[in-house]
Amino acid sequence: DAKTTQPPSMDCAEGRAANLPCNHSTISGNEYVYWYRQIHSQGPQYIIHGLKNNETNEMASLIITEDRKSSTLILPHATLRDTAVYYCIVRVGLGANNLFFGTGTRLTVIP
Amino acid sequence: NAGVTQTPKFQVLKTGQSMTLQCAQDMNHNSMYWYRQDPGMGLRLIYYSASEGTTDKGEVPNGYNVSRLNKREFSLRLESAAPSQTSVYFCASRTELFQETQYFGPGTRLLVL
Repeated sequence: DAKTTQPPSMDCAEGRAANLPCNHSTISGNEYVYWYRQIHSQGPQYIIHGLKNNETNEMASLIITEDRKSSTLILPHATLRDTAVYYCIVRVGLGANNLFFGTGTRLTVIP
Repeated sequence: NAGVTQTPKFQVLKTGQSMTLQCAQDMNHNSMYWYRQDPGMGLRLIYYSASEGTTDKGEVPNGYNVSRLNKREFSLRLESAAPSQTSVYFCASRTELFQETQYFGPGTRLLVL
């Protein structure tokens, strides 16, 4: 699985868009980008995933660059409840193995 | 639909004691996982089970054993607890419907003295 690089921490004002970057320069053609988040003391929660095209769901949007070497998770209107550690994970879709969680980005939403 | 449940929520052990962490899911998922999370670190896989009756080692299996009792339940056993096993343990199950979406339990906080 490709390695990912994320900034260790970010702040965002409440109500503004939070843009969380992730670099995955060694990604291969069949690897997906997944985002999870972990709110303090809870189990991680799936947010979104994508392969090539940009994706949007009720929680967030995922923008993947054309060369697929980086991506950005966008929370359009951050709330205090979005304060969490966000993990960017790259791996081949469908398989029995685990997701490799790194240390992620700690997003703090400021009132 | 309770999702993934874990028991106990919190446990204190003395060095050398044994215990079993329980995990159950009611989503009919085939794959289940045990992770540990230490302060300031991401999750690390201990063991996983791709289907009922099969288990495989993950990144940090030493000191642990697992049992996939049936499709619903996947337990993690510490035979002789050590202080290095003080951690938060998360169980997860995976759906095959949406690629690698994993659903996590609330965690078990283990302190080994």
